[in-house]
Amino acid sequence: DQQVKQNSPSLSVQEGRISILNCDYTNSMFDYFLWYKKYPAEGPTFLISISSIKDKNEDGRFTVFLNKSAKHLSLHIVPSQPGDSAVYFCAASTARDDKIIFGKGTRLHILP
Amino acid sequence: DVKVTQSSRYLVKRTGEKVFLECVQDMDHENMFWYRQDPGLGLRLIYFSYDVKMKEKGDIPEGYSVSREKKERFSLILESASTNQTSMYLCASSSPSAGGPYYEQYFGPGTRLTVT
Repeated sequence: DQQVKQNSPSLSVQEGRISILNCDYTNSMFDYFLWYKKYPAEGPTFLISISSIKDKNEDGRFTVFLNKSAKHLSLHIVPSQPGDSAVYFCAASTARDDKIIFGKGTRLHILP
Repeated sequence: DVKVTQSSRYLVKRTGEKVFLECVQDMDHENMFWYRQDPGLGLRLIYFSYDVKMKEKGDIPEGYSVSREKKERFSLILESASTNQTSMYLCASSSPSAGGPYYEQYFGPGTRLTVT
């Protein structure tokens, strides 16, 4: 059973516009959520995170929103740039251990 | 800067061979992880280790084993490689005392393994 779901395998967005990547989770015990970015032939790199006690975290062009009642989080990228084209993984963890549960990823294409 | 290195970027092995994938991290992290990434399946945890000589099964441990004799090194072993183990293998490390977000994992560049 997937605990972290990214239902959109891919997303195309015009350069300069806002990219919104969505993620749903089922485990209410998750207390920390992360987004990772991955380019082909490279390992994932950490992008931004949010604690379950917050509903928003912002870092430059990247903002993550958390809606605990809906068990939903989203990553907003604005404005989108060509270098943002990558696979984005949503991930979650609990305080009990150091494991991270990853979603299947969403491939973002930024169109010129 | 945390650095996680993996012994090979690309590897081609034959069915039945014993395969060793090595991972080294230079930040004294307690935790180390092995994942595989497959199209449409995301990152799946194979094994992880909280300390030297300790190992825990992840979600898909079948057909794999691991070894952690030193804190900085975590090895993934395919005892008898099969074609369904063709995949991208990613190593990661993390530490509660790293100073960044507690659960952040730092990944290596990956090893693309092909089993023929």
